[in-house]
Amino acid sequence: AQSVTQLDSQVPVFEEAPVELRCNYSSSVSVYLFWYVQYPNQGLQLLLKYLSGSTLVESINGFEAEFNKSQTSFHLRKPSVHISDTAEYFCAVTLLAPATSGTYKYIFGTGTRLKVLA
Amino acid sequence: NAGVTQTPKFRILKIGQSMTLQCTQDMNHNYMYWYRQDPGMGLKLIYYSVGAGITDKGEVPNGYNVSRSTTEDFPLRLELAAPSQTSVYFCASSSPGTGGFEQFFGPGTRLTVL
Repeated sequence: AQSVTQLDSQVPVFEEAPVELRCNYSSSVSVYLFWYVQYPNQGLQLLLKYLSGSTLVESINGFEAEFNKSQTSFHLRKPSVHISDTAEYFCAVTLLAPATSGTYKYIFGTGTRLKVLA
Repeated sequence: NAGVTQTPKFRILKIGQSMTLQCTQDMNHNYMYWYRQDPGMGLKLIYYSVGAGITDKGEVPNGYNVSRSTTEDFPLRLELAAPSQTSVYFCASSSPGTGGFEQFFGPGTRLTVL
């Protein structure tokens, strides 16, 4: 069975400092990897995804994540955070192949609450 | 496109009451999902649907029912509300044929059962 672990439930960081949000997954088969962001009182939005190819993927707002197959990790990083990055971040995986029902089921981590301090 | 819309945004129920959470998407996605989000627990899949007329249970289906009569709509029904169903409910949709399996989420319904 697949699982996703986000060890840090909360990460406080000062504005303009770098941040890394950790995500480790467990799977016996290949998976697709995602980071979603949830701003206060909103739904989840896709931040970035790894499907194949380059192991370093970037978002339009300066976040990046690197797929490390040997360490089964997909950590999210940003070199300099802004107050507006305050949100909850969820790591998720889905199998490459659909289940017998034909769906692609997602497994979400428990989330990391990033709080950027002035 | 409005994307995924959910109604209501907030609701307070008494124990034993029933209600339907509405979800509609206008992206012609085949797949739709209902999740609940509890603090510190991430998102748990309640039910999902691969197309009109086809639904299946997720991780935490007890106490809920769904139907999918059209591609656009995927309502979630609570028959006998219990305090354990206090949560934030998210509907999502996806179409693996485009967008690399990204799920599109609605804004959520915050439900309190007292």
